Amino acid sequence: GDSVTQMEGPVTLSEEAFLTINCTYTATGYPSLFWYVQYPGEGLQLLLKATKADDKGSNKGFEATYRKETTSFHLEKGSVQVSDSAVYFCALSSSASKIIFGSGTRLSIRP
Amino acid sequence: EAQVTQNPRYLITVTGKKLTVTCSQNMNHEYMSWYRQDPGLGLRQIYYSMNVEVTDKGDVPEGYKVSRKEKRNFPLILESPSPNQTSLYFCASSRLAGGPAAGEQFFGPGTRLTVL
Repeated sequence: GDSVTQMEGPVTLSEEAFLTINCTYTATGYPSLFWYVQYPGEGLQLLLKATKADDKGSNKGFEATYRKETTSFHLEKGSVQVSDSAVYFCALSSSASKIIFGSGTRLSIRP
Repeated sequence: EAQVTQNPRYLITVTGKKLTVTCSQNMNHEYMSWYRQDPGLGLRQIYYSMNVEVTDKGDVPEGYKVSRKEKRNFPLILESPSPNQTSLYFCASSRLAGGPAAGEQFFGPGTRLTVL
């Protein structure tokens, strides 16, 4: 079945460092891919999405490109801030009824 | 304000005592879903509903029930809770036309349940 694998955390970086969180997927067909973010004590929020190969999703300085050839959707940000500290979930959906989440990566940013 | 609300936010209970976690959305969404979040496992879908009176099992439905009598409400019922149901629970909703495949799911703030 479909699945998502993302790098284990926690990831700890200094402010203004470059961020990469790896995500790879297994799916039949052509799923839509997403990154969700969960701030402390809150529910998940959609951060960005891409619905077809080579699409780039972007939001709040974060970017991810849908790479069909490597089945990947890595999350990147050029300069992280303390306010980016959160848990990040990679996810995919190839049906109207279901979205599959990765296990989440906790990111901590040091001032 | 568009939102998904859940109650209670925190609950400590004992094994076997029936409980209900309520979920309500004010966005007129057709699709609603319940997830549980456990360390290292991400979010796993418990049940979902595509519309009123239409519900279906997700990946981990055992020990849970749901109902969808009104479009805005989707309560999660634990008839006889057990310690392995201690978890963080999230309700989510979206438009069916976009639905989960469009990524436009809106999540509630979560309910932390402890079963002793």
